[in-house]
Amino acid sequence: GAVVSQHPSWVICKSGTSVKIECRSLDFQATTMFWYRQFPKQSLMLMATSNEGSKATYEQGVEKDKFLINHASLTLSTLTVTSAHPEDSSFYICSARDSQGLVTYEQYFGPGTRLTVT
Amino acid sequence: AQRVTQPEKLLSVFKGAPVELKCNYSYSGSPELFWYVQYSRQRLQLLLRHISRESIKGFTADLNKGETSFHLKKPFAQEEDSAMYYCALSGFANYGGSQGNLIFGKGTKLSVKP
Repeated sequence: GAVVSQHPSWVICKSGTSVKIECRSLDFQATTMFWYRQFPKQSLMLMATSNEGSKATYEQGVEKDKFLINHASLTLSTLTVTSAHPEDSSFYICSARDSQGLVTYEQYFGPGTRLTVT
Repeated sequence: AQRVTQPEKLLSVFKGAPVELKCNYSYSGSPELFWYVQYSRQRLQLLLRHISRESIKGFTADLNKGETSFHLKKPFAQEEDSAMYYCALSGFANYGGSQGNLIFGKGTKLSVKP
């Protein structure tokens, strides 16, 4: 089946620094990837839709200057949390949709990245 | 507005008992409905989708457009079914909104006791 990886799986950083999280589709091409945030014991909240070769589409309330998304290739999207603060600590999950799949909107999820800002 | 409602945060049943996880949706067009499952310490994975009308791990879900529901059912729960279950919908591009976005419910934690 389609596999999505994320790197790193967890990261601890100091307040004020930036952190980059990578999301890769390993065995399929993904023109569209999605970034979610999940708080403890809560559901996934869509942050933005990452489109290969174009600007990301951010959900209402998500700061685009703080959460920089780059989708430079059909298999890689990155999320950079800039000037991180403790309130940015969360579980970040990406997903990818197979561009060459059937007409369905199934998404394949990465394992997530635990970010802790101290 | 597009919305997915899972009214139960926690559902606890005994092994062998029937299970029904409720999901209601609000969408003006023809949505595609999914159930995702997240086992402890594992990634979110697709359990089933309504268009394929399949049964996975004994679970089934029928889309009821009249009641705008997509409840997940299993006749005999197993301990290994304990997990978080998320109902999600995705709208087709022709009906507006972002193509392929998944809208998740808040999830229901299923606990199957021995």
